[in-house]
Amino acid sequence: QVQLQQWGAGLLKPSETLSLTCVVYGGSFSGYYWSWIRHPPGKGLEWIGEITHSGSTNYNPSLKSRVSISVDTSKNQFSLKVSSVTAADTAVYHCARRDIVVVAYDYWGQGTLVTVSS
Amino acid sequence: QSALTQPPSASGSPGQSVTISCTGTSSDVGGYNHVSWYQQHPGKAPKLMIYEVSKRPSGVPDRFSGSKSGNTASLTVSGLQAEDEADYYCSSYAGSNNFDVVFGGGTKLTVL
Repeated sequence: QVQLQQWGAGLLKPSETLSLTCVVYGGSFSGYYWSWIRHPPGKGLEWIGEITHSGSTNYNPSLKSRVSISVDTSKNQFSLKVSSVTAADTAVYHCARRDIVVVAYDYWGQGTLVTVSS
Repeated sequence: QSALTQPPSASGSPGQSVTISCTGTSSDVGGYNHVSWYQQHPGKAPKLMIYEVSKRPSGVPDRFSGSKSGNTASLTVSGLQAEDEADYYCSSYAGSNNFDVVFGGGTKLTVL
């Protein structure tokens, strides 16, 4: 059974850097894209970006300048950093898995509420 | 504003069928068969219900079905049950020069 467990700071001030980590239990770490998706309050979901076990990345064009996703295959973990956060970055952040070929997210982390407030 | 347009709400009585639409453009929904649907109950992570327009993951009841016509995808829930009350989100691959994924704004399904 695949499980994604995530953690990170939940309260940030404007201009700080958001940092979240997701660990994968069960299943293979290779052969998938490991993704970050966020859900701002009262809005729809937003894809942030993704990474493979070998470090190949894709980013949302609208966030690319502030986002970095990295991977640690020795720990089956991947991480998200978003720099220079503002109130618009307030959201529940989820990590998720998708198949290399199929663009659909079949396993999700529980979500972390990140609030940006001065 | 979300890239894909969904109605904010939908409703039906137990046993009835309801269809939720998801409208995009030829650059996303209309251009690829990578349309997926997610169910989200309050406080829970989204759950994949449909992928590649009409395929169901193992364990998803066959009461859930998906289709696409032009730039609009649809999710139909037949034989509505109380536990189907949730938010539903559509998603589509939207990459041309670069990989991109877009989501809809979500539809709140109420079982009357």
